Amino acid sequence: RKEVEQDPGPFNVPEGATVAFNCTYSNSASQSFFWYRQDCRKEPKLLMSVYSSGNEDGRFTAQLNRASQYISLLIRDSKLSDSATYLCVVNPGDYGQNFVFGPGTRLSVLP
Amino acid sequence: EPEVTQTPSHQVTQMGQEVILRCVPISNHLYFYWYRQILGQKVEFLVSFYNNEISEKSEIFDDQFSVERPDGSNFTLKIRSTKLEDSAMYFCASIPPRASHTEQYFGPGTRLTVT
Repeated sequence: RKEVEQDPGPFNVPEGATVAFNCTYSNSASQSFFWYRQDCRKEPKLLMSVYSSGNEDGRFTAQLNRASQYISLLIRDSKLSDSATYLCVVNPGDYGQNFVFGPGTRLSVLP
Repeated sequence: EPEVTQTPSHQVTQMGQEVILRCVPISNHLYFYWYRQILGQKVEFLVSFYNNEISEKSEIFDDQFSVERPDGSNFTLKIRSTKLEDSAMYFCASIPPRASHTEQYFGPGTRLTVT
């Protein structure tokens, strides 16, 4: 079983749509969780950390379900500039351990 | 805002040649990492470095690879004898001193093309 799995995508949505990304992870001892976005041939950039209680940042909402080992990201009122690949990233252990990346889900927001 | 920097941005080399990829992590950061991303594939961990020694390495990081922190600022990845399959983006990352939910900060990457 792959360590971090994501929806295969791509997602093509019109501007203004709401889009949801799903992610599952295999290591139940994983400590912290993140959503990064990656533009084509660029480095991953942190979009948001994911906390147990769920968290929101403007149009973005992240949820974590430790029991199901499931993470989600919701983007509301999507913009053209949201077009990117969204990476689910898991820190499987303590401070300093390498991050484990999902394969990413590509989003294209269409005018 | 401080950033991780990497040089060169693009390196073209012939198979069998040695390459050195350079990174300058953020100055007060403690752990440093190299990841690679083959075109169209996911980001894969290569190695982590802490307190002037390798902390962890993946199966990809074989004897052809080495890392070094030659001075207080640079962090290098050397590939001794490049293969075609080493063609990828190589990202350096670092993390600050311990905090809850410590994110990794990534450099812009070096695109390595082996011909």
